[in-house]
Amino acid sequence: DIQMTQSPSTLSASVGDRVTITCRASQSISTWLAWYQQKPGKAPRLLIYKASSLESGVPSRFSGSGSGTEFTLTISSLQPDDFATYYCQQYNTFSQSTFGQGTMVEIE
Amino acid sequence: EVHLVESGGGVVRPGGSLRLSCAASGFTFDDYGMNWVRQAPGKGLEWVSDINWDGTSTFYENSVKGRFTISRDNAKKLLYLQMNSLRAEDTALYYCARNKRAVAGMVFDYWGQGTLVTVSS
Repeated sequence: DIQMTQSPSTLSASVGDRVTITCRASQSISTWLAWYQQKPGKAPRLLIYKASSLESGVPSRFSGSGSGTEFTLTISSLQPDDFATYYCQQYNTFSQSTFGQGTMVEIE
Repeated sequence: EVHLVESGGGVVRPGGSLRLSCAASGFTFDDYGMNWVRQAPGKGLEWVSDINWDGTSTFYENSVKGRFTISRDNAKKLLYLQMNSLRAEDTALYYCARNKRAVAGMVFDYWGQGTLVTVSS
């Protein structure tokens, strides 16, 4: 099974900061990677798919990059609405999918 | 507007069974693959199961294989998860999620609000 590891687990930042979250796969997944945002008590929201494709309606301050085993989610200028937990998800094998453990972005 | 509404959760004893349902509206249900994703209290997301548009292809996370069965009724726009031989570690909020169309693989563009399953003696 493919394991996904996110870093850091928690990130403290201020409004306006540039924030980067890393996700590493235990084996190559090409660009079969998605990113989700989840706020407390809410369902996750799709942000990015195919490593770098922005989901419709998602602000352009969110971007994704990477291929193979290393990926990043970048928020170019952190907004108050962005404080949440972020998950990466691999879907390289069409019969299985796994999520990273999550990265909580909190107010510094 | 797309809506996914889960139901059927509750408290069940270890070894027991439960059937979850997900009612879909606002889109052509049989155009989409569907999934169940769970989240244990205070923990991260875990994909559980996937079913293709007509129910002929199903996939499961290893720990639920042989215990859980995903199915769908396209005429009623319903997705199901039959859960048998439940264990304490199956305790979680279970989300129904839609596969994003025209994207290969399990990318989830719409989610329900979840139904809570608690396995406890």
